[in-house]
Amino acid sequence: EAGVAQSPRYKIIEKRQSVAFWCNPISGHATLYWYQQILGQGPKLLIQFQNNGVVDDSQLPKDRFSAERLKGVDSTLKIQPAKLEDSAVYLCASRPAGALNTEAFFGQGTRLTVV
Amino acid sequence: GENVEQHPSTLSVQEGDSAVIKCTYSDSASNYFPWYKQELGKRPQLIIDIRSNVGEKKDQRIAVTLNKTAKHFSLHITETQPEDSAVYFCAASTPVAGNKLTFGGGTRVLVKP
Repeated sequence: EAGVAQSPRYKIIEKRQSVAFWCNPISGHATLYWYQQILGQGPKLLIQFQNNGVVDDSQLPKDRFSAERLKGVDSTLKIQPAKLEDSAVYLCASRPAGALNTEAFFGQGTRLTVV
Repeated sequence: GENVEQHPSTLSVQEGDSAVIKCTYSDSASNYFPWYKQELGKRPQLIIDIRSNVGEKKDQRIAVTLNKTAKHFSLHITETQPEDSAVYFCAASTPVAGNKLTFGGGTRVLVKP
């Protein structure tokens, strides 16, 4: 089966600019996560969707970050304006919904450098 | 919310020796505990997982143990090989929080030939 697709793979922007990341989850996966992974740290959950509804966005800096998942499939994560500390890899993961926990599959990630 | 602590942050072992990574979690409602391996510049990939109704699971050279009472779980790698060198992450999934998946800080494992 096709994996989780993310684009772009790399992005360099200046601080105060805006940037958007795209994720296409595995077909049929209702749960979609966006994680921020700063170099040397574990993935930190930014936002979790179940279909097109937000389940958890408690750690999303809502003054500058936004995300949507229209039609419950693809998702975009936007940063506006970017700060130097936003430099990180942004990982998208998807997972089937349901009570029986299963593996979450990750995309390759987007490496963002803010200069 | 769930908090996952992982130790050690770095681990250097001689090829052929065993490696053990430990994690603790805070939310007793968490019921699924995956372990991911991440090689440099690549995506995290699942290597083994365990559900809360099981105390131990083994897959060739990799095993995971879970102590629900103490709220900790561990990854054991035996007969380590150079290709085991990577960063390993533990995670906990919490169904009451919509299957939120919370990760530990990671352990960088270096296997020396």
